[in-house]
Amino acid sequence: AQTVTQSQPEMSVQEAETVTLSCTYDTSESDYYLFWYKQPPSRQMILVIRQEAYKQQNATENRFSVNFQKAAKSFSLKISDSQLGDAAMYFCAYRMGYGGSQGNLIFGKGTKLSVKP
Amino acid sequence: DAGVIQSPRHEVTEMGQEVTLRCKPISGHDYLFWYRQTMMRGLELLIYFNNNVPIDDSGMPEDRFSAKMPNASFSTLKIQPSEPRDSAVYFCASSRTGGNNSPLHFGNGTRLTVT
Repeated sequence: AQTVTQSQPEMSVQEAETVTLSCTYDTSESDYYLFWYKQPPSRQMILVIRQEAYKQQNATENRFSVNFQKAAKSFSLKISDSQLGDAAMYFCAYRMGYGGSQGNLIFGKGTKLSVKP
Repeated sequence: DAGVIQSPRHEVTEMGQEVTLRCKPISGHDYLFWYRQTMMRGLELLIYFNNNVPIDDSGMPEDRFSAKMPNASFSTLKIQPSEPRDSAVYFCASSRTGGNNSPLHFGNGTRLTVT
């Protein structure tokens, strides 16, 4: 079964600095998709960034970028120029490509990010 | 696009009562998911539908839980009878076919408290 592990329950960053959140996953599949979701105190789940496993190029969305290491099964999120509004829980998630429960998103336990002014 | 709409936003009920949570997915989305979020277990998939048909309900805790999707624009999650351990935030999410990089769009969740 696929699993997603976020080893940092909490992280803290100074405003305007850069922070990296770690995520590793376990799968025997070669085709899959990875996501980072943000959950602020309002509890809304907001998609931050997505990555297709077949793409070697790391995804980037404005201040958010990933470091996708397929062989190491690692998918870290880098937040540059951190802002107060980035404070939230961040969840890493995996979705299988084809076959089986392809629809399901499997989530890590989350990392709580604090941003200090 | 109104997004995924869940109701109610909060529900407080007594043990033994029936609880019904409602969800309206985004129009055109053919996948619908029900997740439960707790501090101890994080986000867990309960069940998901594709084209109104349940595909995987292996996450449904027990027979007290049931979910239906009578049409493409509405789904319910029912707990009968409710127990204190069912207290959690329940999320509904939807997505559309078109490659699995199609992300899940989540509703704002229903916070359920069973006393």
